[in-house]
Amino acid sequence: GAVVSQHPSRVICKSGTSVKIECRSLDFQATTMFWYRQFPKKSLMLMATSNEGSKATYEQGVEKDKFLINHASLTLSTLTVTSAHPEDSSFYICSSYSGSDTQYFGPGTRLTVL
Amino acid sequence: EDQVTQSPEALRLQEGESSSLNCSYTVSGLRGLFWYRQDPGKGPEFLFTLYSAGEEKEKERLKATLTKKESFLHITAPKPEDSATYLCAVQGLKTSYDKVIFGPGTSLSVIP
Repeated sequence: GAVVSQHPSRVICKSGTSVKIECRSLDFQATTMFWYRQFPKKSLMLMATSNEGSKATYEQGVEKDKFLINHASLTLSTLTVTSAHPEDSSFYICSSYSGSDTQYFGPGTRLTVL
Repeated sequence: EDQVTQSPEALRLQEGESSSLNCSYTVSGLRGLFWYRQDPGKGPEFLFTLYSAGEEKEKERLKATLTKKESFLHITAPKPEDSATYLCAVQGLKTSYDKVIFGPGTSLSVIP
């Protein structure tokens, strides 16, 4: 299957700082990438759809100014959690389609805000 | 509104004890139903896509089936390495083309 990578895999930061998470498609071009958030023992919740060269589409209830998404190339999308607070601690996962109708997911990034 | 539920929430099996996981869905026309496996601290790993009622797909000890209202993931003679959370997701005809809705998952533990 297609390969999606994320960096970093884990990050710990202080409250009030910003954190950037990268999502890369390694063996295909991704015009669209998805960002999900997952709480412990809960399912994936779609946060936003990232479109290459245009603005991201955010799901209802997701703060655009808090979760900044940039999709500057066909292989890279970034999610920046601005002014992070402990309630932003979560598991963030990106995904994309590789030309089929199947989503392939990255390995996830565990964010802990102290 | 499209919805996905899964049962049971958690399942413990002895090694070799076959069972089935259920995914019930409500969509305004099904474009596709997906099964994923997720290990702790990892992203979901794709297993199967099903498109129409009556369709079946198999992979090693796993077989996925689909009806108009639900899908089953049958696990035959499971091994400890099959322990994981199994996620079901659906894509409806009326949702944005690429978006899927995930169920809450079934956490499977296979005891040696």
